[in-house]
Amino acid sequence: AQKITQTQPGMFVQEKEAVTLDCTYDTSDQSYGLFWYKQPSSGEMIFLIYQGSYDEQNATEGRYSLNFQKARKSANLVISASQLGDSAMYFCAMREPHLGASGSARQLTFGSGTQLTVLP
Amino acid sequence: EPEVTQTPSHQVTQMGQEVILRCVPISNHLYFYWYRQILGQKVEFLVSFYNNEISEKSEIFDDQFSVERPDGSNFTLKIRSTKLEDSAMYFCASRDLDEKLFFGSGTQLSVL
Repeated sequence: AQKITQTQPGMFVQEKEAVTLDCTYDTSDQSYGLFWYKQPSSGEMIFLIYQGSYDEQNATEGRYSLNFQKARKSANLVISASQLGDSAMYFCAMREPHLGASGSARQLTFGSGTQLTVLP
Repeated sequence: EPEVTQTPSHQVTQMGQEVILRCVPISNHLYFYWYRQILGQKVEFLVSFYNNEISEKSEIFDDQFSVERPDGSNFTLKIRSTKLEDSAMYFCASRDLDEKLFFGSGTQLSVL
C-alpha cells in the first residue's frame, strides 16, 4: 500500500499566485513527521518544511506553509506568491518510527512527486 | 549555512567495476543516510548509519553495497560490482537530534 500519495503529477500556476500541492499519507503510528522537498532540474533535494504529528500549529517557512489536517491524513504544501524559480519537482515525505538496531534512525518514505511549472 | 557535500557530482563506470561515492555530512549531525533515485522514479531509502554502525537497511542494500565512516567526517557508499540497474542519482543525507533531514546535491552514477 502507498504510504505517501501525491495525486498531481503536474501543476501549473501563474507567477505571483498561490498554489497548493496535495499530499495524503497512511500510517497507524501516532508519532510521525511530514516533510516537503524541492528538486529543481539540477537534481539536488532541498528541504522546505517539516510538520510533526503532535504540532498543533501548521508549519510555515517564508512563502511555504503546510496545511496539516490530521484527521484527513493530509499535509498539503501551499506556496504563496509563486516565482519562476519555484518551477521544480516537489516531494512529500513521511518519517515513521522504525524499530531496529537503533530505533531512532527513522528513514523517510517519499511520494512520487508533483512537477510544478510557474508561468510568467 | 552548513551543507551536506557529495563528490563526485557525476560518475561513469563500467559494469562490474567498484565505485565509491563520497559524502561529508553536516559536522554536528549524528544520523547519516543514503538514498537513491532512478531516473523518473521515487526517492528510495538505502541505508541509515548511527554510532558507527548500520541502523537500518532496505532490500535494495544487498551484499554488493557497503557504507563506512572512515575518519569521523567522510561517509562513503561502496558498490562492489556495479550493475546496469545501479544507474541512479545517489543522495547522502544527515540530521541532528531534530527531525530535519538535509540532503546533499547528489552523485549521478551511470553504469555502462
